[in-house]
Amino acid sequence: AQSVSQHNHHVILSEAASLELGCNYSYGGTVNLFWYVQYPGQHLQLLLKYFSGDPLVKGIKGFEAEFIKSKFSFNLRKPSVQWSDTAEYFCAVNNDYKLSFGAGTTVTVRA
Amino acid sequence: SAVISQKPSRDICQRGTSLTIQCQVDSQVTMMFWYRQQPGQSLTLIATANQGSEATYESGFVIDKFPISRPNLTFSTLTVSNMSPEDSSIYLCSVADRGLTEAFFGQGTRLTVV
Repeated sequence: AQSVSQHNHHVILSEAASLELGCNYSYGGTVNLFWYVQYPGQHLQLLLKYFSGDPLVKGIKGFEAEFIKSKFSFNLRKPSVQWSDTAEYFCAVNNDYKLSFGAGTTVTVRA
Repeated sequence: SAVISQKPSRDICQRGTSLTIQCQVDSQVTMMFWYRQQPGQSLTLIATANQGSEATYESGFVIDKFPISRPNLTFSTLTVSNMSPEDSSIYLCSVADRGLTEAFFGQGTRLTVV
């Protein structure tokens, strides 16, 4: 079955620590990949997306993600997190003009 | 970008009743979608709302339970019919361009069925 897997359900870290969230998908063929973020009490917002070209994608707020086709992965990274990065993060794949989402990772950053 | 307004933002409903959720977009959009996000789970696509025609439902979702209207390019409604506690969830409206290069989301409707 086609799916999107996020490796971590809940990540807790301190400010200035580095963050990496894993995302794997099982679709074949061409896919478009996204990371969305949902801050407490707010709607889902796009962090970054990959369609083609450079597999290292930079997004807003210092986030980046790397597409590794051979591993069917699209991991999200941030070198130094801030308390304001506390949020839920969703990986998503556009396949056949529909978005499929991973289960989400809750990130808690402690001051 | 698109700004999406969903109403109501939350509701508590009795089982067996129905609730209609409205989604208003500040610009004309090609694609509109309805998602469900159950507690602790990810977003699940319910259906694609098609302007002027019947919605396209995903596996596990049927029109009798989740009737959808889309009378124009800026507005859609989702009705949750004959509700049971299992329907307690957040329902999200989403819009996108034709290529789905980016999707925008409303703040959701938090539904509790008692």
